[in-house]
Amino acid sequence: ETGVTQTPRHLVMGMTNKKSLKCEQHLGHNAMYWYKQSAKKPLELMFVYSLEERVENNSVPSRFSPECPNSSHLFLHLHTLQPEDSALYLCASSQDAGYTEAFFGQGTRLTVV
Amino acid sequence: DQQVKQNSPSLSVQEGRISILNCDYTNSMFDYFLWYKKYPAEGPTFLISISSIKDKNEDGRFTVFLNKSAKHLSLHIVPSQPGDSAVYFCAASARRDKIIFGKGTRLHILP
Repeated sequence: ETGVTQTPRHLVMGMTNKKSLKCEQHLGHNAMYWYKQSAKKPLELMFVYSLEERVENNSVPSRFSPECPNSSHLFLHLHTLQPEDSALYLCASSQDAGYTEAFFGQGTRLTVV
Repeated sequence: DQQVKQNSPSLSVQEGRISILNCDYTNSMFDYFLWYKKYPAEGPTFLISISSIKDKNEDGRFTVFLNKSAKHLSLHIVPSQPGDSAVYFCAASARRDKIIFGKGTRLHILP
């Protein structure tokens, strides 16, 4: 596979559940990102990882917990989410954290019930 | 406060005509601008970019114009094709920092 791959594509979870979103990139990039896209809002940057180290956390609630075990994989662990967390979660990667052209995955459509 | 604004949520254009998507920004430190295209159920894909040292960049049917004094950029698609129907996101960054996205404009190409 090439590009940025996200799994699952769709996820429905209850507010007491724990789930994880997975992202994998096969582009040899050093930076990976989590974005949130809510209806009628701009894409919101959540986390930035560069060379497996978190370099940015944009005031994201602690119920979202990222993990980057290596430069090709990025996870977003979810626990005790709220219905307003329902959104499209997009993973992206770029050559490095200062590089402006990012490649996106297809996203995970998350519904919290 | 939104730093990148796309004030038209949607736009309908006849096939074969020119589509013009507009974007305004407020941060004068932005020096790199991008357009992304997004189909339903897919992630955004990079379309075209422009550095602040230029005022125009062209790639096939797509041309981006930058007016720094007005803090305005636009994406021109000519001629418009059915496959161009998508959501278009304007984005900007300052000194290769994080990319800030607009809300997007949904483009409908009419037959």
